Amino acid sequence: EAQVTQNPRYLITVTGKKLTVTCSQNMNHEYMSWYRQDPGLGLRQIYYSMNVEVTDKGDVPEGYKVSRKEKRNFPLILESPSPNQTSLYFCASSLEPRSSGELFFGEGSRLTVL
Amino acid sequence: GENVEQHPSTLSVQEGDSAVIKCTYSDSASNYFPWYKQELGKRPQLIIDIRSNVGEKKDQRIAVTLNKTAKHFSLHITETQPEDSAVYFCAAGDYKLSFGAGTTVTVRA
Repeated sequence: EAQVTQNPRYLITVTGKKLTVTCSQNMNHEYMSWYRQDPGLGLRQIYYSMNVEVTDKGDVPEGYKVSRKEKRNFPLILESPSPNQTSLYFCASSLEPRSSGELFFGEGSRLTVL
Repeated sequence: GENVEQHPSTLSVQEGDSAVIKCTYSDSASNYFPWYKQELGKRPQLIIDIRSNVGEKKDQRIAVTLNKTAKHFSLHITETQPEDSAVYFCAAGDYKLSFGAGTTVTVRA
């Protein structure tokens, strides 16, 4: 089954404790992206990657890191989480790197930073 | 960067009526305009999209129109049904998509 898988789905952590949210897709998509969803703000892009070893900042990259060492994986790293990073996070992938095309979203990861 | 504004933020319609959601964007270089539907507790899913070389696209009860000169695009849902109740997001851009804040649509039976 074609899918985008995120882990963990739910996480409560404390300020400053490094964490990684993993994202994996089995569709051989070149394009992958991370979004955060907050009430009244829609989906805001954090980082995106057009191919292996190619990543770029989205609209809200501060406080986040990503890496794309393999085509299928695109982890999101919070080196020192803060309460303002409490949010619902979505990973997404797309077949068409230059024009985005249809985004296939993961189920989301709800992160709470205390 | 791209700035997408979406209106209204909430929309309540009677079953069978039409619903219209409007979005404006700021970057004239944007060439891809998708619409996503997100049901409660679920992930967003693409329902229709349009590219800048097309003015209108229709898929059954859903249609999207694009006015590149005015930098606005709209989603039209006809003959609304209870299962159309969801949050709808517009987006604009290309490989870097910017989303609107969303419209919560409620279809009253």
